[in-house]
Amino acid sequence: QVQLQESGPGLAKPSQTLSLTCTVSGGSISSGAYYWSWIRQHPGQGLEWIGYIYSSGSTYYNPSLKSRVTISADTSTNQFSLKLSSVTAADTAVYYCASTDCSRIACYGYVWFDHWGQGTLVTVSS
Amino acid sequence: EIVLTQSPGTLSLSPGERATLSCRASQTVSNSYLAWYQQIPGQAPRLLIYGASSRATGIPDRFSGSGSGTDFTLTISRLEPEDFAVYSCQQYGSSPFTFGPGTKVDIK
Repeated sequence: QVQLQESGPGLAKPSQTLSLTCTVSGGSISSGAYYWSWIRQHPGQGLEWIGYIYSSGSTYYNPSLKSRVTISADTSTNQFSLKLSSVTAADTAVYYCASTDCSRIACYGYVWFDHWGQGTLVTVSS
Repeated sequence: EIVLTQSPGTLSLSPGERATLSCRASQTVSNSYLAWYQQIPGQAPRLLIYGASSRATGIPDRFSGSGSGTDFTLTISRLEPEDFAVYSCQQYGSSPFTFGPGTKVDIK
């Protein structure tokens, strides 16, 4: 089954760009009907969906973050990445990568999250 | 944006008891596109239910989901020690996909 692992700096400075990578094993990010998402959880709070990239390469973002978010994929390394620009302390959160397998059920872009990485805490501070 | 409200905030029960958790949406959730997750502190969420009532792979049948429209329920028929955790609902019927704040099920 698919396994995901986040990696990247645990500290980002205000106004800079937060960059994280998710390494996928047990499946190819370019094959099949998979959606690859980023989700975050502010300390002690609920979850917030950031956006996804589809196995075809198309992307879709949460409108509240759209102006600052880029999700991309590297098929040669079987990884997908998150870049969040102009970060502030409000972006301090645990960031998760997650996947949705739509090979048996057509999703049409409407996704739940069936596999998750362990999460990585990113703190925004000078 | 659909806002999800979960109740109660905390549910204190004993092992073996039945847990009933509620998730209410501010608007109709299209196609009953509602999922439930379990999260143990310090761990990633685990998918339990999708499509309001379909159990995810490997999820015990003591977990069941029901509901439609704006009102959804997660039921744990008999609590096992490993079920004490936070449960969150998520709607994916319209973008942006949103999550509820969670219900904590703790040991009475």
